[in-house]
Amino acid sequence: GIQVEQSPPDLILQEGANSTLRCNFSDSVNNLQWFHQNPWGQLINLFYIPSGTKQNGRLSATTVATERYSLLYISSSQTTDSGVYFCAVPGAGGTSYGKLTFGQGTILTVHP
Amino acid sequence: NAGVTQTPKFRVLKTGQSMTLLCAQDMNHEYMYWYRQDPGMGLRLIHYSVGEGTTAKGEVPDGYNVSRLKKQNFLLGLESAAPSQTSVYFCASRRLADSYEQYFGPGTRLTVT
Repeated sequence: GIQVEQSPPDLILQEGANSTLRCNFSDSVNNLQWFHQNPWGQLINLFYIPSGTKQNGRLSATTVATERYSLLYISSSQTTDSGVYFCAVPGAGGTSYGKLTFGQGTILTVHP
Repeated sequence: NAGVTQTPKFRVLKTGQSMTLLCAQDMNHEYMYWYRQDPGMGLRLIHYSVGEGTTAKGEVPDGYNVSRLKKQNFLLGLESAAPSQTSVYFCASRRLADSYEQYFGPGTRLTVT
């Protein structure tokens, strides 16, 4: 099956700093999602981004499907950005029925 | 729209007890999924459903059963709970056509002692 690798595994920032999280995947995909899991355990959809670049406030994401990676940018980080960031890609049709395969996550800690 | 909701939010079971987790979605989505998340790991698929009355096994189906009697509901059952089933359970749903984007519920934290 498809492999998803995220880096770095851990990231510690001071409030106001910028960061880039990376997601590599082993096979071509037609979609990719980024999630933020907050300290209360909720999974929050950040981006649905099969290709190209999207922005939402201080967050933006870029997926280069032909090179099998996606990047999540966080600018001017805040303590509320702390948590775990996951990327996930679906299997396409067949027996996969779009199930998501998740990376191991990047644990982000933002200090005031 | 409430989106995807899960009941209960927390539960503690003793080994051998049974329980059912309920997932409901009000987005008229055809596909529904049950995942589990263990400490330090991403989510793994337990079972999924591509429509009312149909279910299929995912990556880690052993010890679980599911039912989809109504399009909006997807139930996950544990017939005889084991400590290895201590986990956080997430339900998700998505539309059938063109988009693979999945929407997740808030999760159920289950502890089996």
